[in-house]
Amino acid sequence: SQELEQSPQSLIVQEGKNLTINCTSSKTLYGLYWYKQKYGEGLIFLMMLQKGGEEKSHEKITAKLDEKKQQSSLHITASQPSHAGIYLCGAPTSGTYKYIFGTGTRLKVLA
Amino acid sequence: DTAVSQTPKYLVTQMGNDKSIKCEQNLGHDTMYWYKQDSKKFLKIMFSYNNKELIINETVPNRFSPKSPDKAHLNLHINSLELGDSAVYFCATRGLAGYEQYFGPGTRLTVT
Repeated sequence: SQELEQSPQSLIVQEGKNLTINCTSSKTLYGLYWYKQKYGEGLIFLMMLQKGGEEKSHEKITAKLDEKKQQSSLHITASQPSHAGIYLCGAPTSGTYKYIFGTGTRLKVLA
Repeated sequence: DTAVSQTPKYLVTQMGNDKSIKCEQNLGHDTMYWYKQDSKKFLKIMFSYNNKELIINETVPNRFSPKSPDKAHLNLHINSLELGDSAVYFCATRGLAGYEQYFGPGTRLTVT
């Protein structure tokens, strides 16, 4: 079965620093989604990547899906305390309505 | 307006009890899901309904029974609650245009 592994598991950065979170799939990805979760809240959809090499940005967050479509990275530029939370990558499995999710990366930004 | 809502937000109950969690969506999506997120934040699919029909049923104890009275609602009933059922349960829908999912705020279930 397909699995998504994220790294690092947790990250503490000083405000203003850049950071990268990776999501690696055990099989070819047919789409990759990034979500953010704050404590006690649901998952907020950040962005979706479908094509190999695709890159999308939203404010200071950029996500890219590599050409081989087995890894995605999420990059935050000039991090702020508001970026703190748990970042999860998710993907649909081929030919089904089923989704799998990564192991999550807990981000803390120190002011 | 809340797109995907769940009730209750918090649920504390004793072992052996039966409880239900309700989910409602106003997005008009055909497919709805229940996920369980454990203490390590692993998010695992439990069930999925498409147009009131069960399409995904993962390896979940039969104490868990989903019910979809209509396209906008997907409820989760749990019988004989156990300590290991303590988790956050999320309801979600599948978007029409792409494959993105829209999540409810979650229900934190604590079994004592």
